[in-house]
Amino acid sequence: DARVTQTPRHKVTEMGQEVTMRCQPILGHNTVFWYRQTMMQGLELLAYFRNRAPLDDSGMPKDRFSAEMPDATLATLKIQPSEPRDSAVYFCASGLPGNGYTFGSGTRLTVV
Amino acid sequence: AQSVTQPDIHITVSEGASLELRCNYSYGATPYLFWYVQSPGQGLQLLLKYFSGDTLVQGIKGFEAEFKRSQSSFNLRKPSVHWSDAAEYFCAVGASSNFGNEKLTFGTGTRLTIIP
Repeated sequence: DARVTQTPRHKVTEMGQEVTMRCQPILGHNTVFWYRQTMMQGLELLAYFRNRAPLDDSGMPKDRFSAEMPDATLATLKIQPSEPRDSAVYFCASGLPGNGYTFGSGTRLTVV
Repeated sequence: AQSVTQPDIHITVSEGASLELRCNYSYGATPYLFWYVQSPGQGLQLLLKYFSGDTLVQGIKGFEAEFKRSQSSFNLRKPSVHWSDAAEYFCAVGASSNFGNEKLTFGTGTRLTIIP
């Protein structure tokens, strides 16, 4: 089965450090989402792309978060500087419009 | 704006018993509806989806869901649960547009516990 690959699976970092999370969408999928999951807020949409163009990043704190798709095989989510409140599981998902979306296994981020 | 309500935070069911998880959505047009399942430490796996057509949709692992427009509901059912069904279940709604605004809005989830 085709999979969405996220790296790293786990990341522990100190407050103030830059964090980069990577996602390899399934080949042929033109829509990519970034979600964040916490106990308090549940699943929150941070950003999503269609054909590598950002369509909506209204859920993302602009001052510290950035999301890009440098090419069709890679999506990145960066946090700079990181804060303890950013601790969460970050999921990437990819798919085609009208066809459902496949989620990766997530990156568990802990900021101390 | 679209929204999803899953009124049951936690449900406990005996193995072999039937299951129904509730989901109510709010959306101004014809929605796309999804059920996902998440096991501890894992990502979300798509169980089934509704886009149009037959309002009773079949999914993987023996699950089905019924879309009821009049009740704005998309409840998930299984006739006989197995211990391996213990997980968190999420209902999601998405815009039925091919031209953007396809973001999925998720409910808060229902945790399913199976007892012997």
